[in-house]
Amino acid sequence: EVQLVESGGGLVQPGGSLRLSCAASGFTFSSYWMSWVRQAPGKGLEWVANIKQDGSEKYYVDSVKGRFTISRDNAKNSLYLQMNSLRAEDTAVYYCARGYSSGWVDYWGQGTLVTVSS
Amino acid sequence: DIQMTQSPSSLSASVGDRVTITCRASQGISNSLAWYQQKPGKAPKLLLYAASRLESGVPSRFSGSGSGTDYTLTISSLQPEDFATYYCQQYYSTPPTFGQGTKLEIK
Repeated sequence: EVQLVESGGGLVQPGGSLRLSCAASGFTFSSYWMSWVRQAPGKGLEWVANIKQDGSEKYYVDSVKGRFTISRDNAKNSLYLQMNSLRAEDTAVYYCARGYSSGWVDYWGQGTLVTVSS
Repeated sequence: DIQMTQSPSSLSASVGDRVTITCRASQGISNSLAWYQQKPGKAPKLLLYAASRLESGVPSRFSGSGSGTDYTLTISSLQPEDFATYYCQQYYSTPPTFGQGTKLEIK
């Protein structure tokens, strides 16, 4: 059974940093692109970033370029999102998702809430 | 970025009804479209990809069609567990973008 478990969310002040993690199991992690997708409270879905199987390609939505970094450790079956210079508008539930190069995803984690507020 | 517009934004229907949700892209996306279902407090779930391919385990009452810029999700006979919010997503170009969602409520 595919499982994706996010952690690392919480309350952070504007301008602060946070690192999200996603532990994957139930599939060959190193064979899949992985993505982060977020959802602001009461709002729709927004794709944030994705990363190729070997980490050699990474793509970001414009609003997070230069502030967020996606990475992975295939030996640990883990996906990460380093978030710097956080803004109030980054407040959202962040989902880790298994996917494909084009950005569509087939399995989602349960999400972790990031709140940016003073 | 490609903009995805869903209609309607909300819909009231009854168990057993046939329901159609539309998704329009701001440019052609060559069937590079996925549909997701999300229930309150839960992660989204993939229903269809490549516009019309049913994800494994998804009931056959869900179907998708379309081409070019216009796509539809149809639920042939609504079941109680189908009341949720539905999102389309284009993955023809980066960044992949979602529609704003269609909330399906019980009449």
